[in-house]
Amino acid sequence: DAGITQSPRHKVTETGTPVTLRCHQTENHRYMYWYRQDPGHGLRLIHYSYGVKDTDKGEVSDGYSVSRSKTEDFLLTLESATSSQTSVYFCAISESMGKETQYFGPGTRLLVL
Amino acid sequence: DQQVKQNSPSLSVQEGRISILNCDYTNSMFDYFLWYKKYPAEGPTFLISISSIKDKNEDGRFTVFLNKSAKHLSLHIVPSQPGDSAVYFCAASEGTRSRGGYQKVTFGTGTKLQVIP
Repeated sequence: DAGITQSPRHKVTETGTPVTLRCHQTENHRYMYWYRQDPGHGLRLIHYSYGVKDTDKGEVSDGYSVSRSKTEDFLLTLESATSSQTSVYFCAISESMGKETQYFGPGTRLLVL
Repeated sequence: DQQVKQNSPSLSVQEGRISILNCDYTNSMFDYFLWYKKYPAEGPTFLISISSIKDKNEDGRFTVFLNKSAKHLSLHIVPSQPGDSAVYFCAASEGTRSRGGYQKVTFGTGTKLQVIP
């Protein structure tokens, strides 16, 4: 199994509060991704990173920001959480350019009340 | 607009029989296809993939078939085992690259497979 951890694994928060989710990898992979999984939508890409301090938006990036200050860590921040951001969040990594296979973390279940 | 569609939300199969999971896509730029398997409370794990230059790829009990003209792919599991019970996601990758060389991957909504002992 690829060494990917996510923290926290579960979180309950209130609308309007900031939330940061952390993804940590021990594989030294270049690419890191944040997805959200919702019923009827499958997995949708929020943001991705192709190197330290190099990030770009995915298809559902509104309301989210990311940072990658070290190869092994990729942070996802909800600046002001809304109920529509209640979801399961998955971090993923992949080895290199053109390697489409991604390895996923265990997920973070977020509930915004 | 759902470019990768898994029209069957669920499927039940008897142990030992064949499971066939289907996936349709609309984007003709997709050139690489993957299947991921997901157990409850875990992240998806890669199962099998196929390039658009092939029409079949086999790995043990798992075979993926690609019909480019119909924009359809299917995953066959033979024989099905209770441990195969999971949600299966179809995914497709475009040949065009975004910033950093990333090739966008689009996931379907998943099919929940139940293998009955």
